[in-house]
Amino acid sequence: EVQLVESGGGLVQPGRSLRLSCAASGFTFDDYAMHWVRQAPGKGLEWVSGISWNSGSIGYADSVKGRFTISRDNAKNSLYLQMNSLRAEDTALYYCAKDSGMGLAAAGTSGWFWGQGTLVTVSS
Amino acid sequence: QSVLTQPPSVSGAPGQRVTISCTGSSSNIGAGYDVHWYQQLPGTAPKLLIYGNSNRPSGVPDRFSGSKSGTSASLAITGLQAEDEADYYCQSYDSSLSGSHVVFGGGTKLTVL
Repeated sequence: EVQLVESGGGLVQPGRSLRLSCAASGFTFDDYAMHWVRQAPGKGLEWVSGISWNSGSIGYADSVKGRFTISRDNAKNSLYLQMNSLRAEDTALYYCAKDSGMGLAAAGTSGWFWGQGTLVTVSS
Repeated sequence: QSVLTQPPSVSGAPGQRVTISCTGSSSNIGAGYDVHWYQQLPGTAPKLLIYGNSNRPSGVPDRFSGSKSGTSASLAITGLQAEDEADYYCQSYDSSLSGSHVVFGGGTKLTVL
């Protein structure tokens, strides 16, 4: 059974940093691209960042470019999101999602599988 | 402002049919990129409903169907049930001179009357 478990969320002050983790199981982790997607309270889904199977391709939304860094450790079946210079508008539930393909050149041919999310609140 | 445009809300009575549109452009849906649909029940993570424009994952009832034409896609739900009340999102990929990345619609809240 595919499982994605996010962790690392919490309350953080503006300008500070936070690192999210996503532990994957139930599938061959290094066969798939992975993504972070966020959902602000009461709002829709926003793609944040994606990483290809071998970390050779990485992408970021303009809203986080230069502040967030995505990475993965295939040996540990884990995905990460380092978030620096956090702003109030970064407050959201952050989902880890498994792509159905290896790269970032499309949204995958068979859709994504999502974890349950970890909540990040940026407030003083 | 989402790249893919969905109606904010739709509603229907039990047993009725509703459709949710997802309108894009020549840089995403019109460029041939697949559209996927997700159902998000209150307080839960999105769940894949339709992939590759019109395919249902195993376990998804055949009351749900998807289609794509030109720069738009649609999700249809027939025989509406109370448990269908949820938010629905379309997803595709956008590639333009300013960059390429996954895009979502703004979401549509389905209310079963």
